[in-house]
Amino acid sequence: GENVEQHPSTLSVQEGDSAVIKCTYSDSASNYFPWYKQELGKGPQLIIDIRSNVGEKKDQRIAVTLNKTAKHFSLHITETQPEDSAVYFCAARPGPNSGYSTLTFGKGTMLLVSP
Amino acid sequence: EAGVVQSPRYKIIEKKQPVAFWCNPISGHNTLYWYLQNLGQGPELLIRYENEEAVDDSQLPKDRFSAERLKGVDSTLKIQPAELGDSAVYLCASSLAGAGGGEQFFGPGTRLTVL
Repeated sequence: GENVEQHPSTLSVQEGDSAVIKCTYSDSASNYFPWYKQELGKGPQLIIDIRSNVGEKKDQRIAVTLNKTAKHFSLHITETQPEDSAVYFCAARPGPNSGYSTLTFGKGTMLLVSP
Repeated sequence: EAGVVQSPRYKIIEKKQPVAFWCNPISGHNTLYWYLQNLGQGPELLIRYENEEAVDDSQLPKDRFSAERLKGVDSTLKIQPAELGDSAVYLCASSLAGAGGGEQFFGPGTRLTVL
């Protein structure tokens, strides 16, 4: 099955700095890679996703890049704000040719943005 | 539009006792997921329903866990008897399409503590 590794486990930055979280996956059949943000006491919330036919996707201060050859994808947050502080999870899912499966999540990165 | 609703939000029980969690997905979402989230880990799938059919329950410990979604809407996850190691957050999610598509929306989770 799919195995997703996520680094770092914790990340502390100053407000205004950029933050980068990296994930690797093992199943070359995976073709969908979402990123979730989980605040304390809440369920994960999708913040951005990318499919394997795209190398990069951006939404305001958030961007995701995908390298299919190396099987890794990254989340980039620019101009970080204190409200960005949360746990971020990457995930991967195989595509239809693999019979579809559900998401496999990384272990999460706790991001702390200090004012 | 109401999100995924879960109850209770918190539950404390003694080991060997039974416990049940309830989930009401977003209206119109035919796919429902139950996830287990241990402290410091990403969500792990327990079971996935397409309408009232459990299409992926390979990770559900069937000796003590059971789930149902009788009318293809709300769902109940039960543990009987509970063990100390079952202490975790139980997340419910739903999506419009099957596992192969559609954003998954998560509920706030039920935090279970087994004493």
